[in-house]
Formats: sequence, C-alpha cells, structure tokens
Amino acid sequence: TQLLEQSPQFLSIQEGENLTVYCNSSSVFSSLQWYRQEPGEGPVLLVTVVTGGEVKKLKRLTFQFGDARKDSSLHITAAQPGDTGLYLCAGAGLGTYKYIFGTGTRLKVLA
Amino acid sequence: ETGVTQTPRHLVMGMTNKKSLKCEQHLGHNAMYWYKQSAKKPLELMFVYSLEERVENNSVPSRFSPECPNSSHLFLHLHTLQPEDSALYLCASSPGTALADTQYFGPGTRLTVL
Repeated sequence: TQLLEQSPQFLSIQEGENLTVYCNSSSVFSSLQWYRQEPGEGPVLLVTVVTGGEVKKLKRLTFQFGDARKDSSLHITAAQPGDTGLYLCAGAGLGTYKYIFGTGTRLKVLA
Repeated sequence: ETGVTQTPRHLVMGMTNKKSLKCEQHLGHNAMYWYKQSAKKPLELMFVYSLEERVENNSVPSRFSPECPNSSHLFLHLHTLQPEDSALYLCASSPGTALADTQYFGPGTRLTVL
C-alpha cells in the first residue's frame, strides 16, 4: 500500500517567515500534486510535477519533486495570512490513473 | 467557486435514516468522484465515474451507494450508517480520468451520524 507522509502535521508561524513542508513515501510516483484546502472549501490544485528533480514556482511558492520521484517539498517565502490552510500532497503510482493523498499539513500564518 | 456544487452542506442523521448527497458540476466534465475526508485519515477515494459508468469502487461498504444519472450529476445514497462514517464528503470532477486532468472539488457535505 502506498503511503504519503507529510511533515510537519501542524505549523504556526508569523507573517513574513519562510517555511518548508515535506511529502515523503517509499514508493515511486509518476506524478505528484500539491493542493491547498481552506476551511469550508474543497482542495484546490496548486501544481503538478512529473519529472524527477523538477522545480516549479508559483509566486512565493516553490515546489520540488525528488530526483527519485518518491518525495516532494513545498517552500513558501515570506508567508502571509492568506497562505493559511491545509496543504495536501497527492501522488499517482506507476501505471495508475489514481492519486492517493498525503496526511496533510495544517498551516496557520499569524498577522 | 470551482463549478462543482454540493448539497446539503451539512447533514445530521441517525443510524437508521436514509439520506442522499448531491453533487452537480457545471464544467462539462466526463469524470466525477466521491471522496471521504476524516479528521485523522488522509483523503480517501471512494468511487469514480467516467461517462456515467462506475470505473472504481474502493472497497466501500454497501451502506454507501453511488448513482450517476448523467455526466453532470452524482449522488451518494446513505443508509444505516455508523458513527465512524461521520466525515466531510467531497465530490470532484475532471475532464477525463487521465493523470494530467485536473480535479475540481466541491465544498463538501459535512456529515454527522448520531
């Protein structure tokens, strides 16, 4: 069974600080996604990475897919209160069309 | 607003009740999904429909019964649920079931089983 562990589980930081969230597995994924979910809403896709070592940037967010395609990280620069939410990674195993979701990181950015 | 709506947003039911959750997508997508999001577990895929045909049933108990009458609507019929079924039930849709197809989620139905 493929499992995606995210760390940390919870993170509370001050506005302006930087942070990194990790998504780790012992399985290889053909692609990996990051979502953000705000209270009362469903998850919203932020990015999809498909190539080992790939780095994608979305404004202050930087996403990296591990070289071996088993892990990924999300780095936020100068966090803002609007970044508050639940961050989920989701990986698709080799030869499947289904994504499995990680355990989630709940981020709170204080003004 | 993602183009996927779910009703009701909140539902409280007893273990002997029968209720249905409704999902509607206005995106012209061909695939629709039901997920369960519990407090202490990762988001779990329950069912996948592609062009109104069920293509995935992830060992979900028979007390959950999906229905997809057309590509825009998806229902989840509930009967004789257990308290551990209390969770946020999310519906999603995507153009197809390819990995490159982005899933758009609805806001969810918060279900409490007493």
